[in-house]
Amino acid sequence: QSVLTQPPSASGTPGQRVTISCSGSSSNIGSNYVYWYQQFPGTAPKLLIYRNNQRPSGVPDRFSGSKSGTSASLAISGLRSEDEADYYCAAWDDSLSGVLFGGGTKLTVL
Amino acid sequence: EVQLVESGGGLVQPGGSLRLSCAASGFTFRSYSMNWVRQAPGKGLEWVSYISSSSSTIYYADSVKGRFTISRDNAKNSLYLQMNSLRAEDTAVYYCPRGELQDYWGQGTLVTVSS
Repeated sequence: QSVLTQPPSASGTPGQRVTISCSGSSSNIGSNYVYWYQQFPGTAPKLLIYRNNQRPSGVPDRFSGSKSGTSASLAISGLRSEDEADYYCAAWDDSLSGVLFGGGTKLTVL
Repeated sequence: EVQLVESGGGLVQPGGSLRLSCAASGFTFRSYSMNWVRQAPGKGLEWVSYISSSSSTIYYADSVKGRFTISRDNAKNSLYLQMNSLRAEDTAVYYCPRGELQDYWGQGTLVTVSS
């Protein structure tokens, strides 16, 4: 069971704004950066957001990240069919001395 | 172009051993920490291990501590994962993402532990 808690699923219609939450604790999200990864079936994960709210080059500005206390969120605006994928949050945990991943959220574009 | 190519996966019996390799190119390998992350079939991502750029700092997930050993050879631009006492629950695709950001990932190598 992941210590970073994500909803197992989320959905939206094209053009809509969707948010995916990631809940942790003081030893992980509360004191370290949050990262978000996107993964399509059968492919490797791709970095989407780093250090809470930074986008790597090439990632559309429709994707944004935020963090408050021990929780973080990924927002996708102007939802597109090609955004249908699995999304994972991650953060370093000081107590475990390791990286924690959330359980993942499957995003469906209706 | 940054490339990470994992290899060494395969079918192994419970209790057996396997050594995974990750060949890096397109960046200054010796300047980056590296990780191993795995994904069991149909499941989420699980971080396995971390090694700093100089190998001075190493961390393991509790699930593999004492059984797996991470190492690297900066002269060969290569990362390794020695896996011993393998269990069925170690069955997964193993990836070697780069650095703190885990910003680049290879295609992964499948490890299947089964009799």
